[in-house]
Amino acid sequence: SQTIHQWPATLVQPVGSPLSLECTVEGTSNPNLYWYRQAAGRGLQLLFYSVGIGQISSEVPQNLSASRPQDRQFILSSKKLLLSDSGFYLCAWSQGRGAFQPQHFGDGTRLSIL
Amino acid sequence: EDQVTQSPEALRLQEGESSSLNCSYTVSGLRGLFWYRQDPGKGPEFLFTLYSAGEEKEKERLKATLTKKESFLHITAPKPEDSATYLCAAQNTGTASKLTFGTGTRLQVTL
Repeated sequence: SQTIHQWPATLVQPVGSPLSLECTVEGTSNPNLYWYRQAAGRGLQLLFYSVGIGQISSEVPQNLSASRPQDRQFILSSKKLLLSDSGFYLCAWSQGRGAFQPQHFGDGTRLSIL
Repeated sequence: EDQVTQSPEALRLQEGESSSLNCSYTVSGLRGLFWYRQDPGKGPEFLFTLYSAGEEKEKERLKATLTKKESFLHITAPKPEDSATYLCAAQNTGTASKLTFGTGTRLQVTL
């Protein structure tokens, strides 16, 4: 069966520091991968998605970037964090081939910027 | 722009008191309507996919239905363990199975 891992679960960072959140998927190949941010009282906002290694699409202009160095690894990064980057970050995957496939989520990273 | 609106924002039920959650969507070419359950501090857990108007899916005390403009999540005789936030999401035509999420309904079931 497929599993998705995200780490760390919680992170407290000072303003201006760098960020690296990692997500890996097991038990499938060539998945679509996604990064979301969830703010209180708002829906999940899609930040980035990837349909293959090195292929990244950005949905919103922001202080963050994403990379996919391996088929089942997705990384969310920032060079200098802002207060507004605080939130709950979720990674998700779906089957790469065929439409109508549900996305499956990791347990998220709670990021607090001080 | 695709939009998904869920109501009510919060719902408190007594154990055994059935009710329905609403999800209204405006999507340019609906490919699928998804329901998720999210527990506090966790990622959403997939429940159902609905593809066409008139379709229904069931799982234990939950039943999801779809019309051309709305989806409903019916909860029959809920138990306290059904307490969670329920999210719906719509997938439009396009690449990478991108989803537009609603803000969710926070359900609390009390004894």
